[in-house]
Amino acid sequence: QVQLVQSGAEMKKPGASVKVSCKASGYSFSAYTMHWVRQAPGQRLEWMGWINPGNGNTKYSQNFHDRVTITSDTSASTAYMELSSLRSEDTAIYYCARDRHNSGEDYWGQGTLVTVSS
Amino acid sequence: SYELTQPPSVSVSPGQTARITCSGDALPKHYAYWYQQKPAQAPVLVIYKDTERPSGIPNRLSGSSSGTTITLTISGAQAEDEADYYCQSVDSSGAWVFGGGTKLTVL
Repeated sequence: QVQLVQSGAEMKKPGASVKVSCKASGYSFSAYTMHWVRQAPGQRLEWMGWINPGNGNTKYSQNFHDRVTITSDTSASTAYMELSSLRSEDTAIYYCARDRHNSGEDYWGQGTLVTVSS
Repeated sequence: SYELTQPPSVSVSPGQTARITCSGDALPKHYAYWYQQKPAQAPVLVIYKDTERPSGIPNRLSGSSSGTTITLTISGAQAEDEADYYCQSVDSSGAWVFGGGTKLTVL
C-alpha cells in the first residue's frame, strides 16, 4: 500500500534552515509529482511547491520568496523540502502529499512539526 | 494572487443538511477538491473533480458546481462530520490554491 513517511519534529532558531524528508513506498516514486503543504497553528493549508521526481522539475509558491527548495532522490524514493531564513511565522506542520493525477487516490505524509523559536 | 473564498463557519443540527460553499473566478476552468480535516490529523480527500467521491467516503457527502462556486453538501449530518473543510483547486500556473477553510459544527 502507498505510504509517505516523514522525518521527525524539528526545533530551529530564527535565521536557520530546516530540511524535512518524505520517504515514499508502495508505488513508482518517479511517476507522481510530490507536493509540500504546510499549516501554521490554527491557520489554513498553504501550498509550498512540488517536484516531479521523474525529471527533477520543480514549481514553488511565490509566497516563499525563494526560501524553499524541494529536491528528490529517486534511488531512495525520498523527497525533501528545505526552508531557509526561518522566522517564528514558519512554525507549522509540514506535509508531503502525492499528486492525485485527477483521481481520488490521495496520500499524505503524517506531517512534521517545525518549531522556530529563539 | 488567486483566492478561493469559503465561509469561516457553518452550523448544522444532527440529521439536517449542511452546505459549504467555495468561490473562485477560475473554478469553471479547473477541477476542485474538498478536504476534511479533524484536529491533529492530516487532511482527507472527500470530493475530487468537483463531484466525485473517493472510495470509503460516505455518500451523504456530495459535491456540486455552478459557475464560479462549488458546494460541498453533507446530508443527514452526523457528529463525526464535525471538522474543518477546505476547498482546493489550481491557478493558471498550476499551483495549488486552498480556501480559507470552514469549521463545520454539528450541534
